[in-house]
Amino acid sequence: GEDVEQSLFLSVREGDSSVINCTYTDSSSTYLYWYKQEPGAGLQLLTYIFSNMDMKQDQRLTVLLNKKDKHLSLRIADTQTGDSAIYFCATLWDYKLSFGAGTTVTVRA
Amino acid sequence: DTEVTQTPKHLVMGMTNKKSLKCEQHMGHRAMYWYKQKAKKPPELMFVYSYEKLSINESVPSRFSPECPNSSLLNLHLHALQPEDSALYLCASSQATGGFGEKLFFGSGTQLSVL
Repeated sequence: GEDVEQSLFLSVREGDSSVINCTYTDSSSTYLYWYKQEPGAGLQLLTYIFSNMDMKQDQRLTVLLNKKDKHLSLRIADTQTGDSAIYFCATLWDYKLSFGAGTTVTVRA
Repeated sequence: DTEVTQTPKHLVMGMTNKKSLKCEQHMGHRAMYWYKQKAKKPPELMFVYSYEKLSINESVPSRFSPECPNSSLLNLHLHALQPEDSALYLCASSQATGGFGEKLFFGSGTQLSVL
């Protein structure tokens, strides 16, 4: 299966930008995803990017994809306390999502 | 409506009990999924239904039995579970575009404790 790796923790000050990084091994995935999970909740699809794109922007979220290096990143501008959560990157092949371990983002005042 | 509804939200059961988890979506999605998530870990795929037919079973023990009565409903029947089966069980759905480019929408999960 696909290997997806993420750093485990990120601490950021409120109002700053957060950048969460992810690497993956299988280049055949056509879509790559970012999910957010708040404590005690399910997963929320934040955004996704098609593999032939380099960048996608959606309000405060910017996704960058470097296919050559198999590197995906999620930038959150003007980080707020409500952005504190676990963020999972994921790739998909034949109905199977492969998740990274998740990055716990803590927003401090 | 992008909601996947799961019931119950919490469930405590003994190892000899039989219980069922329920999942419902009204987005017209034709693929539905069960995932298991242990604390501080990513979700793990258990089952996938596509057009009401079981298409993927990730070697899940037979004490977990999925059922898809129609395109909007997905059940997970539980019997003779073990304490290590305690976890958050997540249901998800997607349009079923052929397994590529699927956008999965997740429910809020059932937190299961097996005593």
